[in-house]
Amino acid sequence: GENVEQHPSTLSVQEGDSAVIKCTYSDSASNYFPWYKQELGKRPQLIIDIRSNVGEKKDQRIAVTLNKTAKHFSLHITETQPEDSAVYFCAASKAVMLTFGGGTRLMVKP
Amino acid sequence: DVKVTQSSRYLVKRTGEKVFLECVQDMDHENMFWYRQDPGLGLRLIYFSYDVKMKEKGDIPEGYSVSREKKERFSLILESASTNQTSMYLCASSLRINTEAFFGQGTRLTVV
Repeated sequence: GENVEQHPSTLSVQEGDSAVIKCTYSDSASNYFPWYKQELGKRPQLIIDIRSNVGEKKDQRIAVTLNKTAKHFSLHITETQPEDSAVYFCAASKAVMLTFGGGTRLMVKP
Repeated sequence: DVKVTQSSRYLVKRTGEKVFLECVQDMDHENMFWYRQDPGLGLRLIYFSYDVKMKEKGDIPEGYSVSREKKERFSLILESASTNQTSMYLCASSLRINTEAFFGQGTRLTVV
């Protein structure tokens, strides 16, 4: 099956700095790559996604890049704010099956 | 707004009990999923379903089974609960392939 690895497991940044989270996947047939944010005590929610026919996608302060050849994709958050503090999960999807990475705890220090 | 509702927020069960976790979605989604969430291990897929009565094993199906008799409902069954199944269980649903998955609020199961 698919294997998704996510790094780092924890990330601490100063407010206003950028944060980058990286994921690799194993199955070249995966073609959909969403990112979810989970705030403390809440359910995961989609923040951005990218499909395999696109190399980059932006939505305000967040962007995702995909390198199909290398089988890795990354989440970039610019101008971080305290409310960005949460656990972020990457995922890879082949057909229906949606496989998640281990998560990154992002802490934004004011 | 899509609603995915899990029947219990917290459950405490004894070792060896048969446990049912229920999940209902109200948006006619084709796909439903069961994950368990453990610290440091992320969200691990137990089972998923792409249609009524259809189910597929995820990455960690051992000790679990599922049932999808109606499109809106997906049940996770622990045939004989064990302490290593103590975890947070999350249900999710998606409209079709490669679309946003919506999660339930989670069920924290403790097996004693």
